[in-house]
Amino acid sequence: QKEVEQNSGPLSVPEGAIASLNCTYSDRGSQSFFWYRQYSGKSPELIMFIYSNGDKEDGRFTAQLNKASQYVSLLIRDSQPSDSATYLCAVNSVRTGTASKLTFGTGTRLQVTL
Amino acid sequence: DGGITQSPKYLFRKEGQNVTLSCEQNLNHDAMYWYRQDPGQGLRLIYYSQIVNDFQKGDIAEGYSVSREKKESFPLTVTSAQKNPTAFYLCASGGPNEKLFFGSGTQLSVL
Repeated sequence: QKEVEQNSGPLSVPEGAIASLNCTYSDRGSQSFFWYRQYSGKSPELIMFIYSNGDKEDGRFTAQLNKASQYVSLLIRDSQPSDSATYLCAVNSVRTGTASKLTFGTGTRLQVTL
Repeated sequence: DGGITQSPKYLFRKEGQNVTLSCEQNLNHDAMYWYRQDPGQGLRLIYYSQIVNDFQKGDIAEGYSVSREKKESFPLTVTSAQKNPTAFYLCASGGPNEKLFFGSGTQLSVL
């Protein structure tokens, strides 16, 4: 059973601070890693993806991957109240033809306080 | 507008009734997916399809059925055999780069 683990939170950070969200996965053969943001009652929105060890930056977001430790993280710099949402980590270890069978974590709820 | 359209937004099912959730995409994606989300839980894969007239069971396919007669459409039927259908249902499509894009979801409740 492939597993993706996240702390459910809530993770509370003050406005302007760095939010650090973490995710571990069990399948060492995993190749692709994704972070989705989900506002309450809405659908997930892809915000970052990473395939190689190291850091990947996109605006205020940085994804970090360490395959040896089976660990992926998302950093949000200069956190804003609009960043308050649930962040889902997803891992793809099985690619079947054109399909990607992602395994999702349960998500970490982030609260950015004024 | 390119995207994925799910309907209806809210759906109520009576005991013993089958209901069908609609999903249409105009992103020209080959692969389409149905996920179920329960409160406080992650997304669980129900069914997926890589190509027209082909679909595969996901992790929780029991009590559900799908069809893929057109590339753009991937409807999900929640049958009476699904004893706990109340959940948020999400349809997604994906291209060759592994990124999945989601529709706005359907909240299904039992009367």
